[in-house]
Amino acid sequence: DGGITQSPKYLFRKEGQNVTLSCEQNLNHDAMYWYRQDPGQGLRLIYYSQIVNDFQKGDIAEGYSVSREKKESFPLTVTSAQKNPTAFYLCASQDSSHGKNIQYFGAGTRLSVL
Amino acid sequence: AQSVTQLDSQVPVFEEAPVELRCNYSSSVSVYLFWYVQYPNQGLQLLLKYLSGSTLVESINGFEAEFNKSQTSFHLRKPSVHISDTAEYFCAVTDQGGSEKLVFGKGTKLTVNP
Repeated sequence: DGGITQSPKYLFRKEGQNVTLSCEQNLNHDAMYWYRQDPGQGLRLIYYSQIVNDFQKGDIAEGYSVSREKKESFPLTVTSAQKNPTAFYLCASQDSSHGKNIQYFGAGTRLSVL
Repeated sequence: AQSVTQLDSQVPVFEEAPVELRCNYSSSVSVYLFWYVQYPNQGLQLLLKYLSGSTLVESINGFEAEFNKSQTSFHLRKPSVHISDTAEYFCAVTDQGGSEKLVFGKGTKLTVNP
């Protein structure tokens, strides 16, 4: 069953704590993305990676970090420097074959602050 | 750089009525265009896409969108909506030059009432 798996579905963070959101894909896509969704603001790009061991900052990277050690995995860490982390986080991978540029999304992780 | 404007943040309609969700984009280069749908607490699902060829594209559940280059628009339409179409709809654009990034509109929340 191919797709993108995000875990956990719900996550709670205490003040001063770092938390890591998992994203795994078995679609064999090179590119992966992390977005933050807040009500009425659409999706904002946090980080993206076009290939293993390489990633770039998106529009709102401050307070977040990522790694891309394997093609299948692109975990996002929300650090204590992110002062307003409550949001819905979406991971995506991109099928760039034949110039399609189609992104496929996971089911999301909802992060709240305790 | 591209940008996307979804002109209506909320669209309430009655069941079996027609609906149009408006999307305008700006770009200095040729683009690919997408509509995604998001049901509550879920990720985004690709609804339809314009990559090339016919400017009218259709989805399997009765939605259609028309790419209008002169008006830089990609409006989404359905002649008769169902309760199950209640969701948030996002328009997105990427350039054909392979920037590898999607730019999303802020979304339109469609509510279908009985």
